[in-house]
Amino acid sequence: EAQVTQNPRYLITVTGKKLTVTCSQNMNHEYMSWYRQDPGLGLRQIYYSMNVEVTDKGDVPEGYKVSRKEKRNFPLILESPSPNQTSLYFCASRGLADGSEQFFGPGTRLTVL
Amino acid sequence: RKEVEQDPGPFNVPEGATVAFNCTYSNSASQSFFWYRQDCRKEPKLLMSVYSSGNEDGRFTAQLNRASQYISLLIRDSKLSDSATYLCVVKEDSNYQLIWGAGTKLIIKP
Repeated sequence: EAQVTQNPRYLITVTGKKLTVTCSQNMNHEYMSWYRQDPGLGLRQIYYSMNVEVTDKGDVPEGYKVSRKEKRNFPLILESPSPNQTSLYFCASRGLADGSEQFFGPGTRLTVL
Repeated sequence: RKEVEQDPGPFNVPEGATVAFNCTYSNSASQSFFWYRQDCRKEPKLLMSVYSSGNEDGRFTAQLNRASQYISLLIRDSKLSDSATYLCVVKEDSNYQLIWGAGTKLIIKP
């Protein structure tokens, strides 16, 4: 089954404690990205990657890191989480052809105390 | 800043009615357009792509108006299961980026 998986699905942590949210896709997609979604603000892109070892900042990259060492994986790293990073996070992937559908992971609900 | 604007709603609509909402985009060079559906606290999923000639999928019809830079979604004979948030998406062909609207919330009432 074609899918994007992300873990954990729910996480409560404390300020300053480093965490990683994993993301993996099995569709051989070149493009992967991370979004956060907050009430009234819609989806905001954090980082994206066009291919292995190629990453770039989205609209709200501050406080986040990513890596793309393999095509299928695109982890999101919060080195020192803060309460304003409490949000719902989605990983997504798609091909680069015109009209390609973007597939999302199920989401990670993060609370930083 | 290149943007995609949507009326946040909510649109409260009785079951069986027809409902339509629009989305405006600012970049006239945009080439690809989509509607995604998002259920509460779930991931967005593709509802339909929007083609220049307009397209229909069952009860759903999408239209593109390039002159006025908006796309529309029409839902006929609405069902309770249509209750969701509908996200308008525009693809920036110059850099492969997707620009997302904040969504229009639709509530279908019995």
